[in-house]
Amino acid sequence: DTAVSQTPKYLVTQMGNDKSIKCEQNLGHDTMYWYKQDSKKFLKIMFSYNNKELIINETVPNRFSPKSPDKAHLNLHINSLELGDSAVYFCASSPGRGTEQYFGPGTRLTVT
Amino acid sequence: GESVGLHLPTLSVQEGDNSIINCAYSNSASDYFIWYKQESGKGPQFIIDIRSNMDKRQGQRVTVLLNKTVKHLSLQIAATQPGDSAVYFCAENAGGTSYGKLTFGQGTILTVHP
Repeated sequence: DTAVSQTPKYLVTQMGNDKSIKCEQNLGHDTMYWYKQDSKKFLKIMFSYNNKELIINETVPNRFSPKSPDKAHLNLHINSLELGDSAVYFCASSPGRGTEQYFGPGTRLTVT
Repeated sequence: GESVGLHLPTLSVQEGDNSIINCAYSNSASDYFIWYKQESGKGPQFIIDIRSNMDKRQGQRVTVLLNKTVKHLSLQIAATQPGDSAVYFCAENAGGTSYGKLTFGQGTILTVHP
């Protein structure tokens, strides 16, 4: 009965590699998000999709590309990984914009 | 633990005490506010929300107070339990064109001693 799920839970990779993180929600929500949480616990939004359409795109390097194949999935692909990309990435979903958001368990990305 | 090296505000209370966690928000146009609880190794968990047309909202053991004059939000937890130990975040939604974009505060570490 998992609401928002992410895979993988942990991801360790080397600089320069390309990796993807997957997110799925079974809540029937229209809107999904990606957040980055740094080592100081600061949470910052990266992207938001509403019904597969990109609605929020913060100042994120274009090495990060979200993809939404359908409204239940929002994946995050990262090209040419850098040390500074190391963080915990959270997916979230909400019934609509301006409502409560429900977060996944997070993916801890470590770039070496 | 995960709190080592963090420089977030901290609040330590005894089990059974009431806790008050404060948050100052930045955008006077924000019309929606949420409190989240984040336990170690987990994602933020929704606790309670409030819209800007209210100044108080109560849930189970939690109350959120909103003071728009001074842009201040607080979370009160009644009869705090060890399971309440976590990092607590407030978040604001500015509405309008950034509808749905939550801006999070820095977080407060709550430690409840048995």
